Amino acid sequence: DIQMTQSPSSLSASVGDRVTITCRASQIISTYLHWYQQKPGKAPKLLIYAASSLQSGVPSRFSGSGSATDFTLTISSLQSEDFATYYCQQSYSTPFTFGPGTRVDIK
Amino acid sequence: QVQLQESGPGLVKPSQTLSLTCSVSGGSISSGGYYWSWIRQHPGKGLEWIGYLYNSASLFYNPSLQSRVTIFADTSKNQFSLMLSSVTAADTAMYYCARVSRSSWKWFDYWGQGTLVTVSS
Repeated sequence: DIQMTQSPSSLSASVGDRVTITCRASQIISTYLHWYQQKPGKAPKLLIYAASSLQSGVPSRFSGSGSATDFTLTISSLQSEDFATYYCQQSYSTPFTFGPGTRVDIK
Repeated sequence: QVQLQESGPGLVKPSQTLSLTCSVSGGSISSGGYYWSWIRQHPGKGLEWIGYLYNSASLFYNPSLQSRVTIFADTSKNQFSLMLSSVTAADTAMYYCARVSRSSWKWFDYWGQGTLVTVSS
């Protein structure tokens, strides 16, 4: 199985901050990497697919980059509604696997 | 707009079989080239992919659960279901159904709200 790691596991930030979350795969996965946002008690929501494509309806302050094994999710200016947990997911090979998550909370 | 809704018992006894159904509206599970998947999340933990169904027949399961999992479709009701046998407390989790994009990149673009299943006597 492809192992996914994320860093940091949690961070505290203020509204307006630029936030970067890193995801690393245990082997090369090209751009078969997707990002989700999950708020407490809710299902995950797709933000970014194929490493850098913004899902329809997702604010443009979210962006993704990377390829091969190293990927980043950036929130250019954190808003109050962005406090949540973020997960990466690889679909290069089955079983699909997710990162352990990065919790973003209010400083 | 595609919508998914999970249903099933919230409490299952150890050693029994967990059975959940996902009802899909706004799109047919038997056309469009989409995959249909189950994912679970243990309390306070990360996400675990269980398996997916394609074209109402082709299946792929997570090897970690393969011996206990069955996913199948009822196209007449536009539903797909999950059965997980011989459950233990370790199967207590929130269970989500989700649609997988028809792109070869296979991301989860629509999710149900989830249903919590507790395994306890």
